Amino acid sequence: AQSVTQLDSQVPVFEEAPVELRCNYSSSVSVYLFWYVQYPNQGLQLLLKYLSGSTLVKGINGFEAEFNKSQTSFHLRKPSVHISDTAEYFCAVWGKGTDKLIFGTGTRLQVFP
Amino acid sequence: DAGITQSPRHKVTETGTPVTLRCHQTENHRYMYWYRQDPGHGLRLIHYSYGVKDTDKGEVSDGYSVSRSKTEDFLLTLESATSSQTSVYFCAISEIRGNTEAFFGQGTRLTVV
Repeated sequence: AQSVTQLDSQVPVFEEAPVELRCNYSSSVSVYLFWYVQYPNQGLQLLLKYLSGSTLVKGINGFEAEFNKSQTSFHLRKPSVHISDTAEYFCAVWGKGTDKLIFGTGTRLQVFP
Repeated sequence: DAGITQSPRHKVTETGTPVTLRCHQTENHRYMYWYRQDPGHGLRLIHYSYGVKDTDKGEVSDGYSVSRSKTEDFLLTLESATSSQTSVYFCAISEIRGNTEAFFGQGTRLTVV
């Protein structure tokens, strides 16, 4: 079985500051990893994904994430946030050979001017 | 945008009544999923389908049933709605298992009174 832990339920940050949203996962098999973003009153859209290869993955809107197998982590980072990045961010894991995409509980990023 | 339509978008129903939510896709994707989103819980998998007439349970399947008689339609039924099933329900689709993006619908807000 797979599980995902997002340690921070809320992250407040000022505009133009860097941010890191933390994600740890647990799985008995190898995994694919994803970050999704949800803007208010909308569905989810993919920010980035790790399938294989380079452990540093770049996504849309200037976000990137680093896969760390030894620490079972997939933290999301952005060097300088904008007001428009205010949203909820979900980390998700798909265990290889399984049919399930499992999500974490989400981190609400609030960017202040 | 991926062709996913959820209906209805909003529904208020009474405790004890059956409710069916519909997810319709035009992408011919094999995998379809139903999630519920609740504050503090993120997205939790209710049921999923890996083909016509092939379905399986997710994390929170009690009180829910699903059917998939055609590739494009995945129905979620609350057999006897309870207030604990008040939630936002999302449908998602993916083309293949794991190493690809899952696309989400806009959600159905269900209130059970």
